[in-house]
Amino acid sequence: AQTVTQSQPEMSVQEAETVTLSCTYDTSESDYYLFWYKQPPSRQMILVIRQEAYKQQNATENRFSVNFQKAAKSFSLKISDSQLGDAAMYFCAYRSAAGTASKLTFGTGTRLQVTL
Amino acid sequence: AAGVIQSPRHLIKEKRETATLKCYPIPRHDTVYWYQQGPGQDPQFLISFYEKMQSDKGSIPDRFSAQQFSDYHSELNMSSLELGDSALYFCASSFYTYNEQFFGPGTRLTVL
Repeated sequence: AQTVTQSQPEMSVQEAETVTLSCTYDTSESDYYLFWYKQPPSRQMILVIRQEAYKQQNATENRFSVNFQKAAKSFSLKISDSQLGDAAMYFCAYRSAAGTASKLTFGTGTRLQVTL
Repeated sequence: AAGVIQSPRHLIKEKRETATLKCYPIPRHDTVYWYQQGPGQDPQFLISFYEKMQSDKGSIPDRFSAQQFSDYHSELNMSSLELGDSALYFCASSFYTYNEQFFGPGTRLTVL
């Protein structure tokens, strides 16, 4: 079974600064997908960024980018120019590429605070 | 753009009662997933359906059942409710050839 580990329960960053959230995972599969989801106080789950394991190039979405290290099974999220609206719980998630309707396996989350 | 719709948004039940949660996926999405998120927890996968057939099953109690209908909407039926069933229940949908699961706003179930 796959596991996802987020070792930072809480992180804090000043507005306009950069912060990196860590995520490691364990799997015996070679093909899979990784995601970062954001959950603000509204509790809505919002997809931030995705990465296909077969792609060596790190995904980027505006101020959000990942550092995907397949051999190390590491998938960190970098948020640049942090904004107050980035304050939320961030979940790293794994999805197998095998079969249809594969579930998401989430880490325990990192709560990000953004200060002025 | 259309999003996943869940109803009701809030539900309060007594112990041993039953509850039905509904999910309407994004148009043309053929796959539905159900997740349960307890207080301070990460979402836990319950069950999924692809083209109206059960595709995968997670840690779903035997007291719970679900199905996907011909119009692709899904219902999660929960019986003999327990205090520990109090949680936020998410439905997500996807089109199977794509990777992203898009989440609904969730149904907050409180069992008293």
